[in-house]
Amino acid sequence: DIRMTQSPSSLSASVGDRLTITCRASQSIATYLNWYQQKPGKAPKLLIYGAASLQSGVPSRFSGSGSGTDFTLIISSLQPEDFATYYCQQSFSAPVTFGQGTKLEIK
Amino acid sequence: EVQLVESGGGLVQPGGSLRLSCEASGFTFIRYWMTWVRQAPGKGLEWVANIKQDGSEKYYVDSVKGRFLISRDNAKNSLYLQMNSLRAEDTAVYYCARGAYGGKWDFDYWGQGALVTVSS
Repeated sequence: DIRMTQSPSSLSASVGDRLTITCRASQSIATYLNWYQQKPGKAPKLLIYGAASLQSGVPSRFSGSGSGTDFTLIISSLQPEDFATYYCQQSFSAPVTFGQGTKLEIK
Repeated sequence: EVQLVESGGGLVQPGGSLRLSCEASGFTFIRYWMTWVRQAPGKGLEWVANIKQDGSEKYYVDSVKGRFLISRDNAKNSLYLQMNSLRAEDTAVYYCARGAYGGKWDFDYWGQGALVTVSS
């Protein structure tokens, strides 16, 4: 199985900050990488697919990049509604696997 | 508006069975792969199983193979997960999700989840 490792596991930030979350795959997954946002008690929401494509309806302050084994999710200017947990997921091979999550908290 | 509504969760004893349902609306159900993903309390996400549009292909994570069965009824726009021989480690919120863009491994819409608790 492909192991997905996110860093950091948690962080504190302020509204307006620029934020970067990284995700590393244990083997090359080309650009088969998705990012999800999950708020407490809610279902995950797809933000980015194919490593860099913005899902319809997702604000443009979210962006993704990377290929192979190293990927990043960037939030250009944090908004209050962005405080949540973020997961990466590889869709390269079964079983698809998720990172352990990055919990973003308000500083 | 795409909606996925799970039902059937609850408390079950180890070794017991439970059947989850997911009713879909707002899209042409038969055009999409459908998936179950679970999340143990306070933990991350784990893909469980998925099923092709016509039900001809099904995939399972190793930990549930031989115990869980995914199925669908396209006439009823519904997805199911029959869970047998349940274990404490199956305790989780179970989400149904739609395959994004017709694919099987990316998930663009999710239900609100159904809690399954396996405990004596």
